[in-house]
Amino acid sequence: AQKITQTQPGMFVQEKEAVTLDCTYDTSDPSYGLFWYKQPSSGEMIFLIYQGSYDQQNATEGRYSLNFQKARKSANLVISASQLGDSAMYFCAMREGGNNAGNMLTFGGGTRLMVKP
Amino acid sequence: DAGVTQSPTHLIKTRGQQVTLRCSPKSGHDTVSWYQQALGQGPQFIFQYYEEEERQRGNFPDRFSGHQFPNYSSELNVNALLLGDSALYLCASSLRGPRTYEQYFGPGTRLTVT
Repeated sequence: AQKITQTQPGMFVQEKEAVTLDCTYDTSDPSYGLFWYKQPSSGEMIFLIYQGSYDQQNATEGRYSLNFQKARKSANLVISASQLGDSAMYFCAMREGGNNAGNMLTFGGGTRLMVKP
Repeated sequence: DAGVTQSPTHLIKTRGQQVTLRCSPKSGHDTVSWYQQALGQGPQFIFQYYEEEERQRGNFPDRFSGHQFPNYSSELNVNALLLGDSALYLCASSLRGPRTYEQYFGPGTRLTVT
C-alpha cells in the first residue's frame, strides 16, 4: 500500500485565492512526522511546514497551514492568498518513528499547482 | 550561511560507467541523506549517513554506495550505470537530535545515462 497518497496530479488556483492540496498517509507507527515541500522548476526542494503526530495544534508558517486530521490520516496543505510564485510541484512526505529513528522521508507523487493571474 | 550544495549540476554518462556525486551539508548539520527523483515522480530515499556510517538504506541495489567524510560532506557512487538511473539526485542535510525534522535539500544533480 502507498504510504503517502496525493490524489491531485494538477490544480489551478486564481491569484489571491486560497487552495488546499490533499495528502493522506498510512502508518502503524504512533510517532511520525509529516512534511510539505515545494519544488520549483529549478529542482530544489524547499521545506514549507512540519507537523508531528503528537502536536496538539495544526502547524502554521506564514501563508501555509497544515490541516491535520489524525483519525482520517490526512495532512492537507492550505495556501492562503496564492501568489504567482507559488506555481510549483508540492510534495507531502512522512518520517516514521521518533527523533532518533533516522530521517528517511517517504514522499507522495506530488501535486502541480498553477496560479492564474 | 551556506545551504546544502551539490556538484556537479548536470552529468551525462554512458551505460556501464561509474559516477560520483558530491554533497556539502548546511553549516552545523551532521547527517546527510540521498534521494533519487525520477522524472514526474516523488523522491525516493537511497541512504543516510551519520558519523561516517550508513545508518538507513532504502530499496536500492548495492551498485549504489556512499561515503561520509569527517567534515560531514558526502559522496554518492553509482556503479554499472543503467538507463533507469537517469534522474535528479538530491542530497538533504539535517542535525541529529530534537530538531531533526529540519531537513534541507540541495539543488540536486541531474544525471543522464545514455
